[in-house]
Amino acid sequence: AQRVTQPEKLLSVFKGAPVELKCNYSYSGSPELFWYVQYSRQRLQLLLRHISRESIKGFTADLNKGETSFHLKKPFAQEEDSAMYYCALSRNSGYALNFGKGTSLLVTP
Amino acid sequence: EAGVAQSPRYKIIEKRQSVAFWCNPISGHATLYWYQQILGQGPKLLIQFQNNGVVDDSQLPKDRFSAERLKGVDSTLKIQPAKLEDSAVYLCASSLGTMSTSYEQYFGPGTRLTVT
Repeated sequence: AQRVTQPEKLLSVFKGAPVELKCNYSYSGSPELFWYVQYSRQRLQLLLRHISRESIKGFTADLNKGETSFHLKKPFAQEEDSAMYYCALSRNSGYALNFGKGTSLLVTP
Repeated sequence: EAGVAQSPRYKIIEKRQSVAFWCNPISGHATLYWYQQILGQGPKLLIQFQNNGVVDDSQLPKDRFSAERLKGVDSTLKIQPAKLEDSAVYLCASSLGTMSTSYEQYFGPGTRLTVT
């Protein structure tokens, strides 16, 4: 069975501080992992996916198969990063996403 | 390009009534998904279409929910009869297809359903 766990419901950091949003998953095969973000009053949108190894808006995420984790990191948080972040898993390209419950990130000045 | 369109944006009904949601995916997108997002949870897949065929409806409560995608473009999701626990945001998403570079899912604004 697929499961995505985001242990933190809310994460509050100061502007300029490092931020790490945790994501752990369980899946027997080789899944594809994603981070989606939803800014206030906007649609859910893709932030990054592990296969592309990109850095988007200063965020990075490394897939650790040994720890079955895909934590999202940014060295210096900005106020505009305040949003709801969802970690998601897909068993293969084109298949539906299995989302975690989300972490609300609040960056305060 | 225009994004995924959904209507209505908000709907309030009484339990045991029926309701229908409409989704228009991005032009040319072969795959369409309906997700249900209950407050405090992440989106959960209800049904996935590839063109007008169903790929996955394993989590669709088929005794009350139905969905169709005639002609492989627009889609309608129906609930009949609604229960209190159906109160949620219903999200539609679409993607180009199943090729590894084209499967990014684009989400609509969602329909917020309140069942009283």
